[in-house]
Amino acid sequence: GAVVSQHPSRVICKSGTSVKIECRSLDFQATTMFWYRQFPKQSLMLMATSNEGSKATYEQGVEKDKFLINHASLTLSTLTVTSAHPEDSSFYICSASTFSGGTRQAFQETQYFGPGTRLLVL
Amino acid sequence: AQTVTQSQPEMSVQEAETVTLSCTYDTSESNYYLFWYKQPPSRQMILVIRQEAYKQQNATENRFSVNFQKAAKSFSLKISDSQLGDTAMYFCAFMTQGAQKLVFGQGTRLTINP
Repeated sequence: GAVVSQHPSRVICKSGTSVKIECRSLDFQATTMFWYRQFPKQSLMLMATSNEGSKATYEQGVEKDKFLINHASLTLSTLTVTSAHPEDSSFYICSASTFSGGTRQAFQETQYFGPGTRLLVL
Repeated sequence: AQTVTQSQPEMSVQEAETVTLSCTYDTSESNYYLFWYKQPPSRQMILVIRQEAYKQQNATENRFSVNFQKAAKSFSLKISDSQLGDTAMYFCAFMTQGAQKLVFGQGTRLTINP
């Protein structure tokens, strides 16, 4: 259980174009999804937190107009990199979290990660 | 702000040996969760083990176990009978109860040699 998929796994695009990355929770409903960026040999950097049906919350320094996030359903969130430039080339990872079983308190304690998307902007 | 520190950038052991990865964290909160994630060369992040701070008993998952020392704010991961497939980056992570964000350490690159 708790499988998260991402599509595409890798994408190459020209500078100035937009790229959309999908993140899906396949066997559970994810009230919250997260988008990370990871540079080579570094840790994950949180970009934004996305709650279903509401606007995403962006981390400091992340341009919300450049990285558009939509979380329209409990199983799908999308990240669109608008007007991509070579410096946007990176590995993007999404994660999804769910409610703890057996409790009425909405406490989400475990994030399950997608396989990541490698973006290369030429 | 919470911080997570992994002081061992790289480690290397022989197959079948036992290895311990260190993690310390800093927080003023009393209710929180701690995690170890594994990122193999495929770059898929895989949950290895999870510990609730209110539980005194150390979590175990087959060959993986933790040594959780709450007073010392230490959360080390022990891998017993290490296998070649354990070769990966290992990230320690922290989350306070009620918060949604994970705070990650810098990672430890573990290599298991045949």
